[in-house]
Amino acid sequence: AQSVTQLDSQVPVFEEAPVELRCNYSSSVSVYLFWYVQYPNQGLQLLLKYLSGSTLVKGINGFEAEFNKSQTSFHLRKPSVHISDTAEYFCAVSRVSSGSARQLTFGSGTQLTVLP
Amino acid sequence: ETGVTQSPTHLIKTRGQQVTLRCSSQSGHNTVSWYQQALGQGPQFIFQYYREEENGRGNFPPRFSGLQFPNYSSELNVNALELDDSALYLCASSLVVLGQGAHEQYFGPGTRLTVT
Repeated sequence: AQSVTQLDSQVPVFEEAPVELRCNYSSSVSVYLFWYVQYPNQGLQLLLKYLSGSTLVKGINGFEAEFNKSQTSFHLRKPSVHISDTAEYFCAVSRVSSGSARQLTFGSGTQLTVLP
Repeated sequence: ETGVTQSPTHLIKTRGQQVTLRCSSQSGHNTVSWYQQALGQGPQFIFQYYREEENGRGNFPPRFSGLQFPNYSSELNVNALELDDSALYLCASSLVVLGQGAHEQYFGPGTRLTVT
């Protein structure tokens, strides 16, 4: 089984400041890693994903994340945030397998609030 | 290209009743997954349907059931509703080709179910 821990439930940050949202995972098998964003009263939108290859992954809206296998982490970063980045962010994993049941296991989420 | 749609947007039911939620998958997708997101938590995997067959199930009781139709749309049925069933129910569709890729999931906006 897999599990995901998002270490911070709330992260307030001032506009144009950098931000890091932390994610650690636990799994006995290889996993794919994802970050999703959820705006109020909306579904989930994929920000970025790590499947294989380069450990630094770039996504939409200027976000990037780095996969660290030894520390089982996949932290999300943005060098300069905007008010519009205020949202809930979810880290998720799925097993690397040839089967079709690629269920996502999510963390509990981090509420990013960008202050003016 | 039409994205994932869900209906209804909101629903209020009484404990003990039954409910049916609907999901139309993105054009060209053959797999639908359902997730339950309780308030303040990350989504939890309920089950997945691939080509009209259940293909993977999370830790949910049998009163949670589903269907997938030939056009790959899907229904989630919940019998004997309990207060704890109050949540946002998310549907996600993907194109699964066995043995290939990570099968990125595209989420709909969700159905907010309130059980009183």
